[in-house]
Amino acid sequence: GAVVSQHPSWVICKSGTSVKIECRSLDFQATTMFWYRQFPKQSLMLMATSNEGSKATYEQGVEKDKFLINHASLTLSTLTVTSAHPEDSSFYICSARAQGAFTSYEQYFGPGTRLTVT
Amino acid sequence: AQSVTQLDSHVSVSEGTPVLLRCNYSSSYSPSLFWYVQHPNKGLQLLLKYTSAATLVKGINGFEAEFKKSETSFHLTKPSAHMSDAAEYFCVVSVRTGGFKTIFGAGTRLFVKA
Repeated sequence: GAVVSQHPSWVICKSGTSVKIECRSLDFQATTMFWYRQFPKQSLMLMATSNEGSKATYEQGVEKDKFLINHASLTLSTLTVTSAHPEDSSFYICSARAQGAFTSYEQYFGPGTRLTVT
Repeated sequence: AQSVTQLDSHVSVSEGTPVLLRCNYSSSYSPSLFWYVQHPNKGLQLLLKYTSAATLVKGINGFEAEFKKSETSFHLTKPSAHMSDAAEYFCVVSVRTGGFKTIFGAGTRLFVKA
């Protein structure tokens, strides 16, 4: 149980276009989902926290107008990279916490999406 | 404030020898601690977690970790390394501070030599 999927797993887009990445909790409902960015050979950097039905909370330095996050249901959160540039190329990973997991700190991670902007 | 320090950026062992990946943490709150493994171009897989129960935690693939509050450590060990263990390992601390905060260590790359 507790599987998180991401789609697509790999995407190439041209500079100036937008790309949407989906994160789904397959067998549980996720009140909270997290979006991370990972540069090569580095740790994960939290970009934003999204709660179902409310606006996402962005970490300092993350442009909310560039990285649009929507968490419209308890099983789906989307990250849209708008007007992508080559510096946005990265590995994007989402994670989810189960609904009702007030005392559980565990996050379930998706397999990641490799974005390459040409 | 919370922080996580993985003491080695990379560790190299021979197949069949023990593995030790070191992690120290700092937290003003009672933390939950996790070890995750990441293979190249993959997401994170949970190896084990400590959530205030037994201090010696056993995980998957023969890994275990011991929570030592006095030393603020949560080192990951395995008695005998396998080639498939070669990957990046992350020590993670989570605390509830009104909200929910997770801090990732910088990661330790494990190399396993034949």
